[in-house]
Amino acid sequence: EPEVTQTPSHQVTQMGQEVILRCVPISNHLYFYWYRQILGQKVEFLVSFYNNEISEKSEIFDDQFSVERPDGSNFTLKIRSTKLEDSAMYFCASTSSSGTRPYEQYFGPGTRLTVT
Amino acid sequence: RKEVEQDPGPFNVPEGATVAFNCTYSNSASQSFFWYRQDCRKEPKLLMSVYSSGNEDGRFTAQLNRASQYISLLIRDSKLSDSATYLCVVNPRGYQKVTFGTGTKLQVIP
Repeated sequence: EPEVTQTPSHQVTQMGQEVILRCVPISNHLYFYWYRQILGQKVEFLVSFYNNEISEKSEIFDDQFSVERPDGSNFTLKIRSTKLEDSAMYFCASTSSSGTRPYEQYFGPGTRLTVT
Repeated sequence: RKEVEQDPGPFNVPEGATVAFNCTYSNSASQSFFWYRQDCRKEPKLLMSVYSSGNEDGRFTAQLNRASQYISLLIRDSKLSDSATYLCVVNPRGYQKVTFGTGTKLQVIP
């Protein structure tokens, strides 16, 4: 069964450093998303991406964040200058645009980001 | 009112019991509704979409009440493996973001 994959599974970085989180969405999906979950809290939306551009973003997704689809398979989230409060689990998700179950989002296993 | 609200629990139930969770949402124009389950430190996994007519998948039944703006999940014959946090997820419009509830924790006891 197709699945969303993410790398790395765990990233430790120092405050102020740049990190890039990588995702490979399900191959025939066209809509991509990043969410984050701070330990013990709920899953929060960051950004959605379609047709090579951002379609929606949350207040959390400020100028420190960017997303890119550099090729036909990868979808990346970059944090330019990490802060302690960026420590969280980051989930990538994707969804198809058609079929019998539109809008259902499938999540990757996540990248645990620890900022020290 | 929160966008999506759930009782955090925990719900501690014996194996074989029936348990029900409710979730309320604030945006009356919301289009799609889902239940996900999340195991500790893992990703949310889609359990089922919730359709207007209600739907069932094995031991799981989901219902939607648009007039009262709530959805429900019923689990029959609970198994130990059902122990997880159940997330209510609402899609306000199409392919944009979904909004998660804080989740309801279920612990099935032997």
